[in-house]
Amino acid sequence: DIQMTQSPHSLSASLGETVSIECLASEGISNYLAWYQQKPGKSPQLLIYYASSLQDGVPSRFSGSGSGTQYSLKISNMQPEDEGVYYCQQGYKYPYTFGAGTKLELK
Amino acid sequence: EVQLVESGGGLVQPGRSLKLSCAASGFTFSNYYMAWVRQAPTKGLEWVASITNSGGSTYYRDSVKGRFTISRDNAKSTLYLQMDSLRSEDTATYYCTRENYGSYYVMDAWGQGASVTVSS
Repeated sequence: DIQMTQSPHSLSASLGETVSIECLASEGISNYLAWYQQKPGKSPQLLIYYASSLQDGVPSRFSGSGSGTQYSLKISNMQPEDEGVYYCQQGYKYPYTFGAGTKLELK
Repeated sequence: EVQLVESGGGLVQPGRSLKLSCAASGFTFSNYYMAWVRQAPTKGLEWVASITNSGGSTYYRDSVKGRFTISRDNAKSTLYLQMDSLRSEDTATYYCTRENYGSYYVMDAWGQGASVTVSS
């Protein structure tokens, strides 16, 4: 199985700050990498697919980058509604695997 | 609007069975792969199973292989997960998801989740 190592485990950011979350795959996944946001008590929502493509309706302050085994999610201009847990997921091959999640809080 | 509505969750004893259903609307169900993703209490997300749009192929994580069966009825736009020989470690919220292979195999729509508790 492909292991997805996500970091940091948690972080806090001030209003307007820029933050980054990293995801490292145990083998190359050819950009088949997605990012999801989950707010407390809610279902996850897709933010980014194919490493850097923004899902319809997602604010442009979210962006993704990376290739090979290393990927990152950047959130620019942190807003209160960005609080939640963020997960990466590889769709390169079954079994699909997720990172352990990064909890983002507003400082 | 894409909607996925799960049903069938509940409390079940270890070793017993439970069947989840997911009613889909707002899109052409037969054009999409579908999947189940679960989340144990206070834990992260875990992919469980996927099924192709025709239902001709299915995929499972090792820990549920031989115990869970994913299926679909395209005429009813409904996805199912038959769970047999349930274990305490299967306790989780089970999400029905649309697996969009056109977007490089991501889950681009999620239901509200069905809670499954396996306990005596």
